[in-house]
Amino acid sequence: DAGVIQSPRHEVTEMGQEVTLRCKPISGHDYLFWYRQTMMRGLELLIYFNNNVPIDDSGMPEDRFSAKMPNASFSTLKIQPSEPRDSAVYFCASSPHTTQYFGPGTRLTVL
Amino acid sequence: GIQVEQSPPDLILQEGANSTLRCNFSDSVNNLQWFHQNPWGQLINLFYIPSGTKQNGRLSATTVATERYSLLYISSSQTTDSGVYFCAVQYSGAGSYQLTFGKGTKLSVIP
Repeated sequence: DAGVIQSPRHEVTEMGQEVTLRCKPISGHDYLFWYRQTMMRGLELLIYFNNNVPIDDSGMPEDRFSAKMPNASFSTLKIQPSEPRDSAVYFCASSPHTTQYFGPGTRLTVL
Repeated sequence: GIQVEQSPPDLILQEGANSTLRCNFSDSVNNLQWFHQNPWGQLINLFYIPSGTKQNGRLSATTVATERYSLLYISSSQTTDSGVYFCAVQYSGAGSYQLTFGKGTKLSVIP
């Protein structure tokens, strides 16, 4: 398997623009997670899905953030409108149940 | 929520030396994982170890759940071991599958 795939790897945008991050989990994994990593706050769980259903979105910072998983092989994290404080590395991870496998991350810079 | 403390925060080793990294957690857990984030930002799962001892090559880990700590041993360190090591735990009383990450130990192995 190719592992967890994320795109784009780097994104630079201007404040107010919509940003969409994409993730393809490892085939057969029932769980999908979105994390954000910053120097100040470290690694934080934003939301996770089980069998394509959002289970816990308590980590989503505000209504500007939304996540979807329309099928078992694809998920998106959308920020609309983006703000400079959203600048971070966003990771997607998938898991069959216990061990989590991380994608390479998307480095987002909002100017 | 559950607290995760890692020590030391920074560690510098000469190539070939051994080291022990520690993770303390404040409550009972049913999931504990060690990750290595390499200098390029990739997060790699090292161990899933909610209890007991595991070994993988030069790395081994031990979790004593009753005493709420886990140790990661690195023997004969190599420059490729450099990076940040994270401990992540799931509180056993949590209703959802949520890993809480420590702040990490930054390891630098010098030749």
